[in-house]
Amino acid sequence: AQTVTQSQPEMSVQEAETVTLSCTYDTSESDYYLFWYKQPPSRQMILVIRQEAYKQQNATENRFSVNFQKAAKSFSLKISDSQLGDAAMYFCAWEGQTGANNLFFGTGTRLTVIP
Amino acid sequence: DTGVSQNPRHKITKRGQNVTFRCDPISEHNRLYWYRQTLGQGPEFLTYFQNEAQLEKSRLLSDRFSAERPKGSFSTLEIQRTEQGDSAMYLCASSLGQRSSTDTQYFGPGTRLTVL
Repeated sequence: AQTVTQSQPEMSVQEAETVTLSCTYDTSESDYYLFWYKQPPSRQMILVIRQEAYKQQNATENRFSVNFQKAAKSFSLKISDSQLGDAAMYFCAWEGQTGANNLFFGTGTRLTVIP
Repeated sequence: DTGVSQNPRHKITKRGQNVTFRCDPISEHNRLYWYRQTLGQGPEFLTYFQNEAQLEKSRLLSDRFSAERPKGSFSTLEIQRTEQGDSAMYLCASSLGQRSSTDTQYFGPGTRLTVL
């Protein structure tokens, strides 16, 4: 079974600073997708960024970027110039290429942004 | 179409009662997923539909749970004889169902179930 591990239950960052959230995963598949989703308090989950395993180039979306290390099965999220609106639960997720293509999620990291 | 919607947003019920939740996906999306999220955990897969066909069910989906997606549009998730352990947030997500680099699951706001 696929497992996704987020070892940081909580993180905090000063506004305008940079923070990195960690994620590791375990899979025997060679082709898959990785995601970071954001879940603000009492609001729905939204996609932050996605990475295809066959691409060596790290994905970037504005202030959000990833460090994808396939051999190490590591997928960290870097948030630059943190804003108050970035405060949320962040979930790392894995999706295979076959079957249901359902997402396997980590337990999440709660990010607090300090003004 | 503004996204995935779910109703009700909150449901409080007594143990042993039946409850039904509804999910309306994004209109052109062929795939619809149900997940369950308990406190302090990430969402866990329950089941999914490709159009009207229910193609896979997780072992988490006990016999008391049933899901339907008539005509491949909205979906319902029913829990019979609810137990306190069923208390959770039930999330619905939809996607185009195409194996492409841009296909993404979009989530609804969830239905929070509390079983007393």
